[in-house]
Amino acid sequence: AQKVTQAQTEISVVEKEDVTLDCVYETRDTTYYLFWYKQPPSGELVFLIRRNSFDEQNEISGRYSWNFQKSTSSFNFTITASQVVDSAVYFCALSVGGANSKLTFGKGITLSVRP
Amino acid sequence: DAGVIQSPRHEVTEMGQEVTLRCKPISGHNSLFWYRQTMMRGLELLIYFNNNVPIDDSGMPEDRFSAKMPNASFSTLKIQPSEPRDSAVYFCASSQLAGVSEQFFGPGTRLTVL
Repeated sequence: AQKVTQAQTEISVVEKEDVTLDCVYETRDTTYYLFWYKQPPSGELVFLIRRNSFDEQNEISGRYSWNFQKSTSSFNFTITASQVVDSAVYFCALSVGGANSKLTFGKGITLSVRP
Repeated sequence: DAGVIQSPRHEVTEMGQEVTLRCKPISGHNSLFWYRQTMMRGLELLIYFNNNVPIDDSGMPEDRFSAKMPNASFSTLKIQPSEPRDSAVYFCASSQLAGVSEQFFGPGTRLTVL
């Protein structure tokens, strides 16, 4: 069975601080996909990134970066120079591929960025 | 391009009434998912379809819940009869290929059962 653990439940930072959101996953499959989603206060779920298990390269997109480490089964998300608009709930998710595979979500991390 | 469309956005009903939530997935997407989100239970997958066929409905809480996908561009989630504990935000999502592609979520339907 698949599992995603987001041990941090709530994080509060001051604007311009860097913040890292942790995600640890469990699966016995060698092929799998990892995702991050953002849910701002408005409620919609916004896709941020998808990563497959064969690509361990870190990714950077503006102020966002992701660190995928298979050795520790982690897929951490860092926001550099955080802004108030980054305040949201962030979900990490896992699927093991295959047309009939579903997404397993973590419980989410509530990030509050104070001005 | 239009994203996933859900209607209604808000629904307030009384216990015992039938509720129907609607979803139009992104054109060309082959997989459709229904989720429920509450403070207590977080985000739960209720059911998903591949090519209009239900694949996994193990998340459907009770027989009061049913979902259909009569064609590639429309799905419904029905609750009959509704109960106060069904109050939640219901999301519909679609993807090109379940398990591989990212899912795109609709804006959700906030359901309140009085």
